[in-house]
Amino acid sequence: GAVVSQHPSWVICKSGTSVKIECRSLDFQATTMFWYRQFPKQSLMLMATSNEGSKATYEQGVEKDKFLINHASLTLSTLTVTSAHPEDSSFYICSACRLSSSYEQYFGPGTRLTVT
Amino acid sequence: DAKTTQPNSMESNEEEPVHLPCNHSTISGTDYIHWYRQLPSQGPEYVIHGLTSNVNNRMASLAIAEDRKSSTLILHRATLRDAAVYYCILRDEGFGNEKLTFGTGTRLTIIP
Repeated sequence: GAVVSQHPSWVICKSGTSVKIECRSLDFQATTMFWYRQFPKQSLMLMATSNEGSKATYEQGVEKDKFLINHASLTLSTLTVTSAHPEDSSFYICSACRLSSSYEQYFGPGTRLTVT
Repeated sequence: DAKTTQPNSMESNEEEPVHLPCNHSTISGTDYIHWYRQLPSQGPEYVIHGLTSNVNNRMASLAIAEDRKSSTLILHRATLRDAAVYYCILRDEGFGNEKLTFGTGTRLTIIP
């Protein structure tokens, strides 16, 4: 149990377009989901905390108008990268906490975004 | 968030035990010590966590110093599948503090 999926697993888009990434908890409910970004050879950087039914909380330096987060249900959060630029190319990873136990975070497999 | 310090990289021979150290000298009384690992091109996965006492699970053991200023993740018998980046993370378990702050971690290489 406790599986988190992401879709798509990889995407290539042109500069200036928008890309939506989905994060789903497949077999549990998650009131809180997190979005991370990871550049090559670097660690994960938390971008934002997504709470079901409320606005996301963004980390310092992350543009909320560029990275739109919607947590529409207890099993789905989406991250939309708007007006993508080549510097947005990265590995985007989501994670979720179970309602019943928040000590362990379950991570998705990640989405590789390449902006050309 | 309290900071952790880990060696950038370590190597170990296959089928031998591996001891991954982590220093966290500024740990507070309510900080739990969490370990996650990230295999290549995948999202991280939970390994183990603890507060004061040593902990064991099917994946690993966590040895915590008496003063809690350091800890060691122990893989009892490393396999090639254990090659990953291992992250030691402190997390306050208070309500609403679920977020994790990743450091640079230790890249573990397993030698066949």
